[in-house]
Amino acid sequence: GAGVSQSPSNKVTEKGKDVELRCDPISGHTALYWYRQSLGQGLEFLIYFQGNSAPDKSGLPSDRFSAERTGGSVSTLTIQRTQQEDSAVYLCASSPRTGVKNIQYFGAGTRLSVL
Amino acid sequence: GQSLEQPSEVTAVEGAIVQINCTYQTSGFYGLSWYQQHDGGAPTFLSYNALDGLEETGRFSSFLSRSDSYGYLLLQELQMKDSASYFCAVRAPRGANNLFFGTGTRLTVIP
Repeated sequence: GAGVSQSPSNKVTEKGKDVELRCDPISGHTALYWYRQSLGQGLEFLIYFQGNSAPDKSGLPSDRFSAERTGGSVSTLTIQRTQQEDSAVYLCASSPRTGVKNIQYFGAGTRLSVL
Repeated sequence: GQSLEQPSEVTAVEGAIVQINCTYQTSGFYGLSWYQQHDGGAPTFLSYNALDGLEETGRFSSFLSRSDSYGYLLLQELQMKDSASYFCAVRAPRGANNLFFGTGTRLTVIP
């Protein structure tokens, strides 16, 4: 596609429910990143994919968070048993390969609200 | 680990010049990047410095001093549409490829 697409754009859920957030990267981009942004804060790294493998999961805040990527394209971030502190904007980014001016192309994010 | 410091807010007048500073600490340096984010929007890449000196891209310039662990973003001929948050970022150390972001500087351009 023309840009990184994320869905849904907004998600409201009840505490304890599971949610799935989807990211469609730019076609041909091999690297994919998930970040979390709390209100008025910077971006917090969650996980990075190169192709379908995730060499760096160091940012996942707990074992309730998991992510997968299939076919070297679409990625899904799953949050199980959501908590109120999970409320944030979840941003996905992709890049053609790593190390090129550090340029990452971001989607507009999914705003998650846990009630 | 990494840490970046930048001012939380800056206000400037339309048509003026504004400088947003960023100091960083990182174990291993792989360049300093700048991103712009309008409210509710996606962060977008503005500029990147791997070596000391000034990089110019239109109205925006970015400067880096590796010896001082310091950089800045310079915005000239400010326009109202430049009101946004600006983030400096460094790449994580070798073996990881994510960006580590500062907490951002909210720029407000006033008439």
